Amino acid sequence: DVKVTQSSRYLVKRTGEKVFLECVQDMDHENMFWYRQDPGLGLRLIYFSYDVKMKEKGDIPEGYSVSREKKERFSLILESASTNQTSMYLCASSLGGGGETQYFGPGTRLLVL
Amino acid sequence: DQQVKQNSPSLSVQEGRISILNCDYTNSMFDYFLWYKKYPAEGPTFLISISSIKDKNEDGRFTVFLNKSAKHLSLHIVPSQPGDSAVYFCAASAIYNNNDMRFGAGTRLTVKP
Repeated sequence: DVKVTQSSRYLVKRTGEKVFLECVQDMDHENMFWYRQDPGLGLRLIYFSYDVKMKEKGDIPEGYSVSREKKERFSLILESASTNQTSMYLCASSLGGGGETQYFGPGTRLLVL
Repeated sequence: DQQVKQNSPSLSVQEGRISILNCDYTNSMFDYFLWYKKYPAEGPTFLISISSIKDKNEDGRFTVFLNKSAKHLSLHIVPSQPGDSAVYFCAASAIYNNNDMRFGAGTRLTVKP
């Protein structure tokens, strides 16, 4: 079974703080993704990575950055957290090559005060 | 620009009856479609998929139907069980570009005993 883990289930941060969300997958997947889920909007792609040290912007990259130093780990960074970044953050991975199912972690619910 | 739309935010059915969840898409380049199921405080889990070369795919109680001309797909659950109560997300991608998977806003299904 594919396992995608996220470092925190719940986080509370203050406006202006730098926030790190970590994601690890154990299936040697090429692709990793960060989404945020908001009511009525579904899942929106923030960033994805198709290889170590490679990254591509998704639909809503503003205010975020990512890091992929190792194949199994993909980090999402909120450089200066704002209240509009309060959301559920979901990490996913897929094997790569197209037409592949994405496997999701349990999510991190972030509250920015 | 929501390329994948789930117009019903919620659906309630009686246990044992059929649940039909609908999804429409606008991008004719999409050729791979998935349904994910999400319980509260968990990440989405893959349920069933269909590629555009088929119009039906069945897995136990779950069947997905694809109508390419109408750019419409649906998920049928027969018979519905209380444990099926969850949020269901429709997703679509182009096989050549799996990194660009688009999700609908989700439909919350409640199956009443």
